Amino acid sequence: GNSVTQMEGPVTLSEEAFLTINCTYTATGYPSLFWYVQYPGEGLQLLLKATKADDKGSNKGFEATYRKETTSFHLEKGSVQVSDSAVYFCACVTGANSKLTFGKGITLSVRP
Amino acid sequence: EPEVTQTPSHQVTQMGQEVILRCVPISNHLYFYWYRQILGQKVEFLVSFYNNEISEKSEIFDDQFSVERPDGSNFTLKIRSTKLEDSAMYFCASSRGVNRPTETQYFGPGTRLLVL
Repeated sequence: GNSVTQMEGPVTLSEEAFLTINCTYTATGYPSLFWYVQYPGEGLQLLLKATKADDKGSNKGFEATYRKETTSFHLEKGSVQVSDSAVYFCACVTGANSKLTFGKGITLSVRP
Repeated sequence: EPEVTQTPSHQVTQMGQEVILRCVPISNHLYFYWYRQILGQKVEFLVSFYNNEISEKSEIFDDQFSVERPDGSNFTLKIRSTKLEDSAMYFCASSRGVNRPTETQYFGPGTRLLVL
């Protein structure tokens, strides 16, 4: 089956710092890749996605590029804000039934 | 913007009791899902549901679990006889069912279940 590995957390950054959160996957076939974010007290929200190799997903200043050669989908943001403090989940899906496979999630805290 | 809602937000129950977790998916969505996250662990897929049938289920989804769409709006997860290890956050999700598997699944805020 599929699996997703995220870097260990938590991560604490100062405002305006550069962010990278690593994500690698193992999947059969050609997965679609997702980053979900969970703000405190809320559900999982899609942040961005990419559905084929070399696609770049982007939203709210975050970016991630689907790298088939390294089976990675690392999340980056050039300048984080306090409001970006949340838990970030990498996920993949293959096949017709759309079962999402998640990484463990990583907590990001951004201090002013 | 339409959203998935879940009730209750928190539930505490005694081991062996039945619980029903409720979800209202986005109204024009056709596929429904339950996931769970045990504290400190990954979000895990439980079951997907389409056209009033289970589409796929994981090995976690044993005979103690069932899902139902009792009317046109609700989607429920029942745990017949809860165990301590069922304590987790349970997330409901829905998707349009038009462009799977690349389409977005929209998640609710979750129900935190604690089994004592």
